Amino acid sequence: KAGVTQTPRYLIKTRGQQVTLSCSPISGHRSVSWYQQTPGQGLQFLFEYFSETQRNKGNFPGRFSGRQFSNSRSEMNVSTLELGDSALYLCASSPIAEGEEQYFGPGTRLTVT
Amino acid sequence: SQQGEEDPQALSIQEGENATMNCSYKTSINNLQWYRQNSGRGLVHLILIRSNEREKHSGRLRVTLDTSKKSSSLLITASRAADTASYFCATENPRRGGADGLTFGKGTHLIIQP
Repeated sequence: KAGVTQTPRYLIKTRGQQVTLSCSPISGHRSVSWYQQTPGQGLQFLFEYFSETQRNKGNFPGRFSGRQFSNSRSEMNVSTLELGDSALYLCASSPIAEGEEQYFGPGTRLTVT
Repeated sequence: SQQGEEDPQALSIQEGENATMNCSYKTSINNLQWYRQNSGRGLVHLILIRSNEREKHSGRLRVTLDTSKKSSSLLITASRAADTASYFCATENPRRGGADGLTFGKGTHLIIQP
């Protein structure tokens, strides 16, 4: 099976812009989670989608949003970018999420200037 | 918020030696997982141990879990240069409204000297 893919791999945006990141889970996986990784805060949970519904949400402002499509592909959007949004954004998939290992993609490195 | 705290933050050993990393957490868990990350890339799942398990093995990896002390350890035996990476523990907490997903520690950076 192909692994989790994320596009784009690298992105440079300017403060105030918005960005959309994409994640394609492993075939058959219905749960997609998003994480932000920064040197200061480490890995932090953003949100989790299952069957097109957001099931869990981390402690991030409303500028961070996401969605999941019927084919389980997911997108996350960050509006009004701030310098502090510069991070590695990781997507993970699993068949149902709870009680299971997560399969991570390679991440999207976002730099906000 | 960070639930797990790995110790040590960094560890440098010679190839062939064993490496032990520890993780402590604060609240009750469903399971605890260990992941490896090479140089800012994606995470690779290593092992999952459930709250009712005490020890688990996978190849050169051995994980223990002590729920009374809220701690876990990861042992890598006969280390290799390819084991150089950052290792994270992650806890899955019992679901409540607005659950946190996996909660990661800050990681242990392991360097294997050839």
